[in-house]
Amino acid sequence: AQSVTQLGSHVSVSEGALVLLRCNYSSSVPPYLFWYVQYPNQGLQLLLKYTSAATLVKGINGFEAEFKKSETSFHLTKPSAHMSDAAEYFCAVSGDTGNQFYFGTGTSLTVIP
Amino acid sequence: DTAVSQTPKYLVTQMGNDKSIKCEQNLGHDTMYWYKQDSKKFLKIMFSYNNKELIINETVPNRFSPKSPDKAHLNLHINSLELGDSAVYFCASSQAGLGRYNSPLHFGNGTRLTVT
Repeated sequence: AQSVTQLGSHVSVSEGALVLLRCNYSSSVPPYLFWYVQYPNQGLQLLLKYTSAATLVKGINGFEAEFKKSETSFHLTKPSAHMSDAAEYFCAVSGDTGNQFYFGTGTSLTVIP
Repeated sequence: DTAVSQTPKYLVTQMGNDKSIKCEQNLGHDTMYWYKQDSKKFLKIMFSYNNKELIINETVPNRFSPKSPDKAHLNLHINSLELGDSAVYFCASSQAGLGRYNSPLHFGNGTRLTVT
């Protein structure tokens, strides 16, 4: 069975500050991990994905995530938050059949001017 | 030009009515999904089709019936709507069915269903 846990349903940061959104996974097979962003009244958009090619993955909008097998983590970071980063962020792991995706409960990011 | 499009964007209806949501993808993907997002933003898989064949059917009331006329389309029909059906329904597609387990989901913009 596979699952992801997102610690912190709400995160607030000041504009220009570091963004850190936490995700831990559980998987009996090498996982494929994803981060998605959802802006208000929109669908989910892929930020980045981990596919075992490199442990540090760079995504769109300046976000990156590091896969740490020893910690079963895939935390999302951005060095400097922008107001436009305010959104809901979801971590996901794909199932071992590839057809099933398991989503975390989401983290709402607020950026304070 | 939209990759995954679903209609309508908003749907307001009364309890007991029957409604449908349509979804189309032009990405050439072989797998399509329906997800339900509740008021707390929790995403729950409902159904998945691979090349018109149902492969995932989570615990969903049988009032919900998906139909896939071809691999580019996946519609969702809901009978006898209830208040608890109010949510945002997302269609998505991926190439995961071809064993490309790292193939991400591509989402539509959602249909906000409100049952009164």
